[in-house]
Amino acid sequence: IAGITQAPTSQILAAGRRMTLRCTQDMRHNAMYWYRQDLGLGLRLIHYSNTAGTTGKGEVPDGYSVSRANTDDFPLTLASAVPSQTSVYFCASSPGARGGDTQYFGPGTRLTVL
Amino acid sequence: AQKVTQAQTEISVVEKEDVTLDCVYETRDTTYYLFWYKQPPSGELVFLIRRNSFDEQNEISGRYSWNFQKSTSSFNFTITASQVVDSAVYFCALKSSNTGKLIFGQGTTLQVKP
Repeated sequence: IAGITQAPTSQILAAGRRMTLRCTQDMRHNAMYWYRQDLGLGLRLIHYSNTAGTTGKGEVPDGYSVSRANTDDFPLTLASAVPSQTSVYFCASSPGARGGDTQYFGPGTRLTVL
Repeated sequence: AQKVTQAQTEISVVEKEDVTLDCVYETRDTTYYLFWYKQPPSGELVFLIRRNSFDEQNEISGRYSWNFQKSTSSFNFTITASQVVDSAVYFCALKSSNTGKLIFGQGTTLQVKP
């Protein structure tokens, strides 16, 4: 069982390009999340999905979009990348969206936008 | 508003010393959950513990222990007899049962020197 996989591991991207970060989980978790990690700011929620077919905005959603066509996959798209989107991106999942459900994290994607 | 504060940005200790990582949280919710995650130099986020607001029992797991005090809104983490492998960034996080959103502190970088 892999848990959560993310691809690519790292990427250097020219500003203005479109990029999709992939996230797949094999735990049959209902809820999935995307966070970005920036030095001194901890992790901040970008978008989330409580169940397949639904999505919601987190703390920093601007410039990002997500979709949740099935339980396992939760891709994050940057339509037109900007340098401020340089960050480490983490995908996470939890059994449900209740407060007591623990979130488990993928290995992360390091994205550099030049 | 919900907030998590980890006032210690960096801590450096010598192996075998005990070390306490502080976490103070703010919430108006009566039901909430507190978490600690570890991020080793390899970058992944590892879940360590979850605590419910209605359970103030302290917890011990090997060399790790957690002290939850609602009266001071604190959820501190102590490592006894620290080891080099404990070197990592440690994040404290808060989740409300109402919103289900996980709010992270800024993280504390722990360096354990041999």
